[in-house]
Amino acid sequence: EAQVTQNPRYLITVTGKKLTVTCSQNMNHEYMSWYRQDPGLGLRQIYYSMNVEVTDKGDVPEGYKVSRKEKRNFPLILESPSPNQTSLYFCASSALGQGRNGYTFGSGTRLTVV
Amino acid sequence: AQTVTQSQPEMSVQEAETVTLSCTYDTSESDYYLFWYKQPPSRQMILVIRQEAYKQQNATENRFSVNFQKAAKSFSLKISDSQLGDAAMYFCAFYNNNDMRFGAGTRLTVKP
Repeated sequence: EAQVTQNPRYLITVTGKKLTVTCSQNMNHEYMSWYRQDPGLGLRQIYYSMNVEVTDKGDVPEGYKVSRKEKRNFPLILESPSPNQTSLYFCASSALGQGRNGYTFGSGTRLTVV
Repeated sequence: AQTVTQSQPEMSVQEAETVTLSCTYDTSESDYYLFWYKQPPSRQMILVIRQEAYKQQNATENRFSVNFQKAAKSFSLKISDSQLGDAAMYFCAFYNNNDMRFGAGTRLTVKP
């Protein structure tokens, strides 16, 4: 089954403790992206990647890092999480230039930073 | 940069009735795509309907249809014969050149 797999689904952590949210897709997609969803703000893009070793900032990149060492994986790293990063996070992917058909989304990660 | 505005944070509809969710966007591009996504309590993002900007004909998918007004930069979603399973958060999205932008969402409640 074609899918984007995110882990974990829920995560509660403490301020300053480094964490990684994993994202993996099995569709050989070049394009991958991370969004955060907050009430009243919708989904905002954090980082995106057009291909292996190619990443770029979205609209809200502060406090986040990403890497794209393999085509299928695009982890989101919070090196020193803060409470304002409490949010619902989505990973999405598409073939390059095919986002016009819509993205495939992961099932989301609910992160709480206390 | 493109922006997407959903001015209705919450909407309510009686089961079997029709409801329209509003969306406007701002862009200087002529070639783009518009989407409505549904997010039920499971949090899954489900593509409901898609519209190509160069097509004048409004997209329809069963009980879901859009009213696309390109000049007015408006893209509303009409849900006919509403069902309890339609209750969800609905996001309007704009896509152009590997960039997808979302509105703030409209939470739809369906009353039995």
